[in-house]
Amino acid sequence: QVQLVESGGGVVQPGRSLRLSCGASGFTFSTYAMDWVRQAPGKGLEWVAVISYDGSNKYYADSVRGRFTISRDNSKNTLYLHMNSLRVEDTAVYYCARGSGGYFTSYGYWGQGTRVSVSS
Amino acid sequence: EIVLTQSPGTLSLSPGERATLSCRASQSVSNSYLAWYQQKPGQAPRLLIYGASSRATGIPDRFSGSGSGTDFTLTISRLEPEDFAVYYCQQYGSSPNTFGQGTKLEIK
Repeated sequence: QVQLVESGGGVVQPGRSLRLSCGASGFTFSTYAMDWVRQAPGKGLEWVAVISYDGSNKYYADSVRGRFTISRDNSKNTLYLHMNSLRVEDTAVYYCARGSGGYFTSYGYWGQGTRVSVSS
Repeated sequence: EIVLTQSPGTLSLSPGERATLSCRASQSVSNSYLAWYQQKPGQAPRLLIYGASSRATGIPDRFSGSGSGTDFTLTISRLEPEDFAVYYCQQYGSSPNTFGQGTKLEIK
């Protein structure tokens, strides 16, 4: 069965960096685009970034472009989100999510989320 | 980007009743690429409906989706106790994909 397990969250000061990871299993990771979606406390869902199956194409939400980098290691079945210049407003639970394969997709599979708190 | 507006913000109903949730888009959603999710406290969202009207795997048939263009509806025919949660719509026909702000379905 498909499993997505995020890790790497924590408490960090504004301006610092953090790297999130998402380990995938139960499917052929290297054939699926993968996304990060976040949810601020008590708020709705916000798409953050997507990466193509081979890592050659990456797209970002305006709110994180230039600060966050999505990447993947298909040999390790792992998705990453490198977050630089963190802001208080980046505080959220970060989910990795998988859709049906391409960019324009609903998300049938989600991880349990990892919590990021940006605070001085 | 396409803005999705969900209504009502909160819906108070009793088990056994019918629930109708609305999602209105600021522009037409391409190919009816509209999904619905259920989220319970402390859990990840769960896909219910994709393509406006197709049920995801394992979703009971009391959940149904309809609509096209800019107006979409999620209907729960007879509410079960486990259905009380927050529901989000998502459009994935245009980049960036966007979510509605959610409808909280609470027990009356």
